[in-house]
Amino acid sequence: EAGVTQFPSHSVIEKGQTVTLRCDPISGHDNLYWYRRVMGKEIKFLLHFVKESKQDESGMPNNRFLAERTGGTYSTLKVQPAELEDSGVYFCASSRSGSTEAFFGQGTRLTVV
Amino acid sequence: AQSVSQHNHHVILSEAASLELGCNYSYGGTVNLFWYVQYPGQHLQLLLKYFSGDPLVKGIKGFEAEFIKSKFSFNLRKPSVQWSDTAEYFCAVNGGYNKLIFGAGTRLAVHP
Repeated sequence: EAGVTQFPSHSVIEKGQTVTLRCDPISGHDNLYWYRRVMGKEIKFLLHFVKESKQDESGMPNNRFLAERTGGTYSTLKVQPAELEDSGVYFCASSRSGSTEAFFGQGTRLTVV
Repeated sequence: AQSVSQHNHHVILSEAASLELGCNYSYGGTVNLFWYVQYPGQHLQLLLKYFSGDPLVKGIKGFEAEFIKSKFSFNLRKPSVQWSDTAEYFCAVNGGYNKLIFGAGTRLAVHP
């Protein structure tokens, strides 16, 4: 069974540009989560999808961040326009409905210069 | 507000030394607690979890953690570490709908 896959693994962009991160969850996992870790601090929750619906987006920092999960499969997280403080590692996780164990991807390291 | 505090940000040990990583949480609801580990270049993976029952939880690779409700703690332990335990360790609490609230992480370096 393939794990959670994230693309790209690294991205370096200039301030003001747009970046789109992608997450492919484990097949059959209805729950999909995005997290972010900035500068060695704690990993912080961004949002939670159940299938294609946003269950909780309380952690999204501002309206420059847009997450989608069309068809309830893969998800994208777009940052537009990117700012320096958006640099960090973005993690995606997925879990089965009713399960308490989340499986994480390797993360996307985003650097905004 | 819900939060998780990990006391040690960096720990350096020699092989065969005993390990204890501290974790305290602040959460008002039913507590589900986790320890995750991230080995260099790899994804976060679950070490162990506590939901209910025996407060001493055993996980993979010889790790265990003890839930002490009166102290709001869930410390991670291993009696004898190996070089391969070099990693970053994260304590987390379930903040509702399986949303995880993480601590800042502890980087463990084990020297041969």
